[in-house]
Amino acid sequence: DSGVTQTPKHLITATGQRVTLRCSPRSGDLSVYWYQQSLDQGLQFLIQYYNGEERAKGNILERFSAQQFPDLHSELNLSSLELGDSALYFCASSPTGGIGNTEAFFGQGTRLTVV
Amino acid sequence: TQLLEQSPQFLSIQEGENLTVYCNSSSVFSSLQWYRQEPGEGPVLLVTVVTGGEVKKLKRLTFQFGDARKDSSLHITAAQPGDTGLYLCAGAAGWGKLQFGAGTQVVVTP
Repeated sequence: DSGVTQTPKHLITATGQRVTLRCSPRSGDLSVYWYQQSLDQGLQFLIQYYNGEERAKGNILERFSAQQFPDLHSELNLSSLELGDSALYFCASSPTGGIGNTEAFFGQGTRLTVV
Repeated sequence: TQLLEQSPQFLSIQEGENLTVYCNSSSVFSSLQWYRQEPGEGPVLLVTVVTGGEVKKLKRLTFQFGDARKDSSLHITAAQPGDTGLYLCAGAAGWGKLQFGAGTQVVVTP
């Protein structure tokens, strides 16, 4: 158990809909990262928040947005869903903002299926 | 676009054999990490290498960072079925941006 909690574990929704994925980081970790993992693209960095503020952005679509709340949990909002958005979405947390040199702890992921 | 190329994509070996997984890039990374991911789970960090030429050992796993900090390898000695998993390398490409390779699926059969 990494200490990072993601909910829900599975989500099935229709095209055009909007969903919210939730992540609770490890106790004391200030940074939250979101990744998308699909079969053909591997793990893709979406966005990072550090202590409530956006710190880094990857290839995140405009239809996607995220935020980190004062209690440090984070939500990833996916809207106008398309079939191609079906993937595993992972959240990771680390104590500091520099994920490269510090250990990052990944949650178990949310499997999103768009039908 | 994957900045990190991993090879091979898939590796199936018998218990007790050795294996090597490679991670190559044209970019220089300030550090490189190796993760193992099992089905239904998130990636778990195995090691971080920072210095060019660095070699780190974790029991039967040996990790090497290339002198130019563009490539890395993971060698497993006397593989066991418990080593089965998806091995991912990831390079630090700026603040918070950890770029992952596509992974090498390793299957160790008894």
